[in-house]
Amino acid sequence: GIQVEQSPPDLILQEGANSTLRCNFSDSVNNLQWFHQNPWGQLINLFYIPSGTKQNGRLSATTVATERYSLLYISSSQTTDSGVYFCAVDTSGSRLTFGEGTQLTVNP
Amino acid sequence: GAVVSQHPSRVICKSGTSVKIECRSLDFQATTMFWYRQFPKQSLMLMATSNEGSKATYEQGVEKDKFLINHASLTLSTLTVTSAHPEDSSFYICLGTGGKTEAFFGQGTRLTVV
Repeated sequence: GIQVEQSPPDLILQEGANSTLRCNFSDSVNNLQWFHQNPWGQLINLFYIPSGTKQNGRLSATTVATERYSLLYISSSQTTDSGVYFCAVDTSGSRLTFGEGTQLTVNP
Repeated sequence: GAVVSQHPSRVICKSGTSVKIECRSLDFQATTMFWYRQFPKQSLMLMATSNEGSKATYEQGVEKDKFLINHASLTLSTLTVTSAHPEDSSFYICLGTGGKTEAFFGQGTRLTVV
């Protein structure tokens, strides 16, 4: 099956800093999503981005499908950005495969 | 975005009892519902995939007689943990999709078996 690798596994930032999270995948995909899991466990959709670039406030994402990677940018980070960021991909419309996640801690 | 409502959010049950978790898609038709399990500090582990009106497909190592999944309609899927034991304590979460489109999570259920 498809392999999904996220980096870095852990990231600690000071409030206000910018960061880039990466997701590499081993096969062509027709679906790629970024999710944020908050400290209470809730998973929130950030981006549906099988290709191209999208922005939503301080967050933006870019997927380069031909090179099999996606990047999630967080600018001017806030403590509420803390949590785990997951990348998930799908090749056939039948299931999402998740990476191991990036644990982000933003300190005040 | 679309909403998947999952209940209950937390449940504590005695060993040997069964627990039913419901996921309802509120503003779209979830033709497929995925059920995941997550242990602390780990990623999401797919347990099974259910399509409306058909039997669920279970991942290797997941006991289908223990984790009963029903997807009787396009808006409701249920996971029943039968004869629960402490090792079944975990965070269970559903993910609904209308097909080859964006998928949405329920709020998750934290199950504690005592």
